[in-house]
Amino acid sequence: KQEVTQIPAALSVPEGENLVLNCSFTDSAIYNLQWFRQDPGKGLTSLLLIQSSQREQTSGRLNASLDKSSGRSTLYIAASQPGDSATYLCAVCRSSNTGKLIFGQGTTLQVKP
Amino acid sequence: NAGVTQTPKFRILKIGQSMTLQCAQDMNHNYMYWYRQDPGMGLKLIYYSVGAGITDKGEVPNGYNVSRSTTEDFPLRLELAAPSQTSVYFCASSYEETQYFGPGTRLLVL
Repeated sequence: KQEVTQIPAALSVPEGENLVLNCSFTDSAIYNLQWFRQDPGKGLTSLLLIQSSQREQTSGRLNASLDKSSGRSTLYIAASQPGDSATYLCAVCRSSNTGKLIFGQGTTLQVKP
Repeated sequence: NAGVTQTPKFRILKIGQSMTLQCAQDMNHNYMYWYRQDPGMGLKLIYYSVGAGITDKGEVPNGYNVSRSTTEDFPLRLELAAPSQTSVYFCASSYEETQYFGPGTRLLVL
C-alpha cells in the first residue's frame, strides 16, 4: 500500500531564507508526483507536477525534484517571503487512467518578516 | 470561468441526518474527485469519476454515495451522518493530470 510522508510537520524560518520541504513515498511505481499549496480555510492550488520520467520541475522561486528509486521528492523554495506562509502538500499518482492521488499530511510553513 | 464550486460552505448536521454536498465545474473536465481532510492530515479520496455515468470508490467510501449524471456536477451524499464524518470536504476536477480544487465544505456532525 502506497504511503506518503512529509517531514517536518511544521517549519518556521526568517524571511529571505532558502528552504527545503521533504516528501517520501513507499512504492516507487508512481505515474507522477505533485506539490500543492493550501492557504488556511482554502482549497488546494497546484504548484508543480513531476512526471515519473523527470528529475525536476521549476516554477519561479520553486524547484521540485524527484528521486523515484529512493522514494523521495523535495520542494526547494528560494528567498522565502511572508507570502509563502501556507501548508504544502505532496501527492503521488499511480495511474494515468484514474488520476487518483495519495496525499502526505503536509508541512505548515511560516515565514517571519 | 468559475472553476470548481462547492455548496454549502458550512453545515451542522445532527447524528442520523442526511445531506448532499454539491460540486460543480464549468471547465468541461471529465475527471472529478471527492476528498475529505481531517485536522492536521492530508486529503483522503472518497469517490471519483472518470466521466458522466462512471463512478468508483476511493480509500474511504463507507457512509457516502455519489452520482455523476452530467459532466458538470458530482454531488456527494451522506446518509445517516456520524460524528466520524466531521471533516472538511473538497471536490476537484482534473485536466491533463492537474487537479483543480473547490473551496471546500466544512461539515460538523453533532
